[in-house]
Amino acid sequence: QSALTQPPSASGSPGQSVAISCTGTSSDVGGYNYVSWYQQHPGKAPKLMIYEVSKRPSGVPDRFSGSKSGNTASLTVSGLQAEDEADYYCSSYAGSKNVFGTGTKVTVL
Amino acid sequence: EVHLVESGGGLVQPGGSLSLYCVVSDFTFRNYWMTWVRQAPGKGLEWVAKIKEDGGEKYYVDSVKGRFTISRDNAKNSLYLQMNSLRAEDTAVYYCVTGGYNYVYWGQGTLVTVSS
Repeated sequence: QSALTQPPSASGSPGQSVAISCTGTSSDVGGYNYVSWYQQHPGKAPKLMIYEVSKRPSGVPDRFSGSKSGNTASLTVSGLQAEDEADYYCSSYAGSKNVFGTGTKVTVL
Repeated sequence: EVHLVESGGGLVQPGGSLSLYCVVSDFTFRNYWMTWVRQAPGKGLEWVAKIKEDGGEKYYVDSVKGRFTISRDNAKNSLYLQMNSLRAEDTAVYYCVTGGYNYVYWGQGTLVTVSS
């Protein structure tokens, strides 16, 4: 039950795009279309940004998009804004259990 | 607006026990799986346990299996986590979360500190 692998950090200038990867195995990310992404600002609870690989909850800007290929899922933030600076975590169903990613700190330069 | 309020956190010695509580309002609690997620200080999120709508299925991360017990009372819109044989590595903010794999609503968290 190992954590999904994410890059520790990512950055971009305002208006640019940044992509975050989330690598698992065929037992989690690759085996199910139940990958979700969460944004967490310091001292706050996480917020759901993407669910079931590519679906956006109501209220989440369409600048946020998700995809998956094989055992790797990705979150892309387009048109970066200052408020997008936060930690991002992926999560996947893993056959009765669940697992989170290691987390990525996104910095807006 | 959906509200989740956790309570029960605090300081406990290694080997001790603690019970966490979560009350959910403005939400059809009985129709959803519920989950506990924790976050050690300065660290990432870790899935801890989840429970089916009727309480008939429960799953745990390996590191807490046999020590933690998740339960619920649908009549009280409440979720619980009984934590026994606590270890220093259980120190974390514990979040109550709606859902079994898409975590839409989160509580503010309750801090559990295991230390002598």
